[in-house]
Amino acid sequence: AQKVTQAQTEISVVEKEDVTLDCVYETRDTTYYLFWYKQPPSGELVFLIRRNSFDEQNEISGRYSWNFQKSTSSFNFTITASQVVDSAVYFCALRAHNAGNNRKLIWGLGTSLAVNP
Amino acid sequence: EAQVTQNPRYLITVTGKKLTVTCSQNMNHEYMSWYRQDPGLGLRQIYYSMNVEVTDKGDVPEGYKVSRKEKRNFPLILESPSPNQTSLYFCASSSIAGAVWEQYFGPGTRLTVT
Repeated sequence: AQKVTQAQTEISVVEKEDVTLDCVYETRDTTYYLFWYKQPPSGELVFLIRRNSFDEQNEISGRYSWNFQKSTSSFNFTITASQVVDSAVYFCALRAHNAGNNRKLIWGLGTSLAVNP
Repeated sequence: EAQVTQNPRYLITVTGKKLTVTCSQNMNHEYMSWYRQDPGLGLRQIYYSMNVEVTDKGDVPEGYKVSRKEKRNFPLILESPSPNQTSLYFCASSSIAGAVWEQYFGPGTRLTVT
């Protein structure tokens, strides 16, 4: 069975603080893909990053960074020097490579981040 | 511009009144899918389609129908909507070429059934 757990339901920080959103996944597949999406108050899903299971390099994009650790089945997301515009719900998702024809995403329940001025 | 469009974006309707939410993509993608998003339940797949005239159930298909008569369109049909179908709906599409199958999402349709 595949599963994605985002243990933090809500996080509230003050602007300029660093914040880490946790994501733990379960899969028996050896090849899989992990994703992070942002959902601002307007409701659309904004793609942030995809990581392949065979690529454990961490990634940095501006104030965003991702830490992928296969040993702990985690794919955590850190926002450095948070800003009010970062306020959103963030979803972690998983897709197995060998999922047959249905390449559906398995989603975590999301972490609602509030960045206060 | 490559995109997935959904219409309407917002809809308030009454129980039992048939409705269709349209989804269209301009990327010539083979794979299309519908998800619904509910608080505390996350996003769950309703139906998916591998290509024209090929559709299959996802995790929560009850109360929904889909069709795939054209490659670009994948409408979601609620024949007799009920209040428990009040939700935020997303359409997604993907090319099946390559290994990754990057999914592109529409802007969402917020449906309220009273």
